[in-house]
Amino acid sequence: GENVEQHPSTLSVQEGDSAVIKCTYSDSASNYFPWYKQELGKGPQLIIDIRSNVGEKKDQRIAVTLNKTAKHFSLHITETQPEDSAVYFCAASRPTTARQLTFGSGTQLTVLP
Amino acid sequence: DAGITQSPRHKVTETGTPVTLRCHQTENHRYMYWYRQDPGHGLRLIHYSYGVKDTDKGEVSDGYSVSRSKTEDFLLTLESATSSQTSVYFCAIRTQGLEGGYTFGSGTRLTVV
Repeated sequence: GENVEQHPSTLSVQEGDSAVIKCTYSDSASNYFPWYKQELGKGPQLIIDIRSNVGEKKDQRIAVTLNKTAKHFSLHITETQPEDSAVYFCAASRPTTARQLTFGSGTQLTVLP
Repeated sequence: DAGITQSPRHKVTETGTPVTLRCHQTENHRYMYWYRQDPGHGLRLIHYSYGVKDTDKGEVSDGYSVSRSKTEDFLLTLESATSSQTSVYFCAIRTQGLEGGYTFGSGTRLTVV
């Protein structure tokens, strides 16, 4: 089955700096790659996603890039703010009917004021 | 959160007892999923459903069963709880069509003593 590895497990940045989280996947058939943000005591929330026919996608301060050849994708957060502090998960899914997501192990991002 | 609720939010139970967790949605989505979240493992799929009475196993299904007798309810049962099943359990619904992202519930924190 699919295996998703995520790095780093913890990341601290100064407010206003950029943060980058990287994931690799094993199944070349995977074609959908979402990113989730989880705040303390809450369920994960979808923040951005990318499909395999696109190399990059942006939404305000966040962007995701995908390299299908190398089978890795990354989340970029610019101009970080304290409210960006949370756990971030990457995920991947194959084009099956049920679209089961396989998640990475998560990155605890701390934005220092 | 797209009309998805989990109950109970917290539960402490003894080893060997049966436990049922409930996921309820109000928007008639076809696909529903149960994940468990453990430190260092991200979220792992337990079972999923693609319709009433239609369910299938995920990555970590041993010791768990599910039922879906109505579109809106997806139940997860631990037939005989063990300490290794202490975890946070999340239900999710697929809300964005064929390539959809998930919407997660707020989670159930289960402690087996």
